[in-house]
Amino acid sequence: DGGITQSPKYLFRKEGQNVTLSCEQNLNHDAMYWYRQDPGQGLRLIYYSQIVNDFQKGDIAEGYSVSREKKESFPLTVTSAQKNPTAFYLCATGLPYGYTFGSGTRLTVV
Amino acid sequence: DQQVKQNSPSLSVQEGRISILNCDYTNSMFDYFLWYKKYPAEGPTFLISISSIKDKNEDGRFTVFLNKSAKHLSLHIVPSQPGDSAVYFCAARDSGNTPLVFGKGTRLSVIA
Repeated sequence: DGGITQSPKYLFRKEGQNVTLSCEQNLNHDAMYWYRQDPGQGLRLIYYSQIVNDFQKGDIAEGYSVSREKKESFPLTVTSAQKNPTAFYLCATGLPYGYTFGSGTRLTVV
Repeated sequence: DQQVKQNSPSLSVQEGRISILNCDYTNSMFDYFLWYKKYPAEGPTFLISISSIKDKNEDGRFTVFLNKSAKHLSLHIVPSQPGDSAVYFCAARDSGNTPLVFGKGTRLSVIA
């Protein structure tokens, strides 16, 4: 069953901690994306990767980092430099004419 | 600057009536448009799309209309059902291999 899996579904971060959100896909897509959803803000692009070992910053990359060592995996690290990390994070994998999204990770700072 | 705009944050419609969700864009290089539906705490799911060479695309109860001269598209849902209650995102891409650009979404409530 092909798809895209995000884990964990809920994540709590203490002030000053780095946390990593997982995104795995078995759709054999080259491109993968990370978006952040905040109330009233829509979906904002954090980082994207169109090929293994390459990635580009999106509109709100500050305080985040990514890696793309395998085609199937595109983890997102939320660093302590991200001042307002509480949000719903969505990973997507895409063809030029549409994305498949994961089910999301809700990150909360405690 | 916002390239894709959904100016109505919310919309309420009675069950059985038509729902019309609107989207405006500013980038004349956009050549493909999509609508996604999102329930709370879930990822968006693809609903319907339209290429810039068309002005209408229909899929069951869902129809998308594109007016290129006005840089405007709309999603019509007929008849509206309570299960259609969700947030709807308009998205667009240009002819290059660039990421989709999303609007802020419109929350549709279908009242029984």
